[in-house]
Amino acid sequence: AQSVTQLGSHVSVSEGALVLLRCNYSSSVPPYLFWYVQYPNQGLQLLLKYTSAATLVKGINGFEAEFKKSETSFHLTKPSAHMSDAAEYFCAVSSPGGYGKLTFGQGTILTVHP
Amino acid sequence: EAGVVQSPRYKIIEKKQPVAFWCNPISGHNTLYWYRQNLGQGPELLIRYENEEAVDDSQLPKDRFSAERLKGVDSTLKIQPAELGDSAVYLCASSSPGWLAGGSSYNEQFFGPGTRLTVL
Repeated sequence: AQSVTQLGSHVSVSEGALVLLRCNYSSSVPPYLFWYVQYPNQGLQLLLKYTSAATLVKGINGFEAEFKKSETSFHLTKPSAHMSDAAEYFCAVSSPGGYGKLTFGQGTILTVHP
Repeated sequence: EAGVVQSPRYKIIEKKQPVAFWCNPISGHNTLYWYRQNLGQGPELLIRYENEEAVDDSQLPKDRFSAERLKGVDSTLKIQPAELGDSAVYLCASSSPGWLAGGSSYNEQFFGPGTRLTVL
């Protein structure tokens, strides 16, 4: 069985500050890991994915995440927050290969203050 | 390229009434997923289709939920009768296989905007 825990249901940062959203996973097999963003009243959009290649993954909108097997973590970061980053972020895990059934965390709402 | 289309976007019904949601996946995507997203939580898979075959419906409450994907394209998810606890956002996603160096595959799922269901 796989699971994801996102630490902190709400994160608030100032514009220009570092964004750090935490994700820890549990998986009995080497996982694939994903970060999705969801803006109000919209579907989920893929930010980035880890599929067992480089452990530091760069995504869209300046986000990146680092896979750390020893810590079972896949934290999402962005050096400088922008107002448009305000949204809900979901970390998800799936098993390699096959049909990619995603197991999501509970989400983290990011608020960006001017 | 058009994304995943879902309708209606919003639906308000009274309990015990039936309701249906429709999804049109991205052209060429053979795999289709229905998820339910409760307030304040991440999406949870209800059912997955490969073409017209439901290959994973273990999380679908079959006493009141049903789904179909005729001709392996559009899909409909139905609830009959609806209960108060069914209030949620129902998301549809579609994917096609992507291949990684080394031959392993992954499925990048593209999500529709969802249908927000409110049961009164």
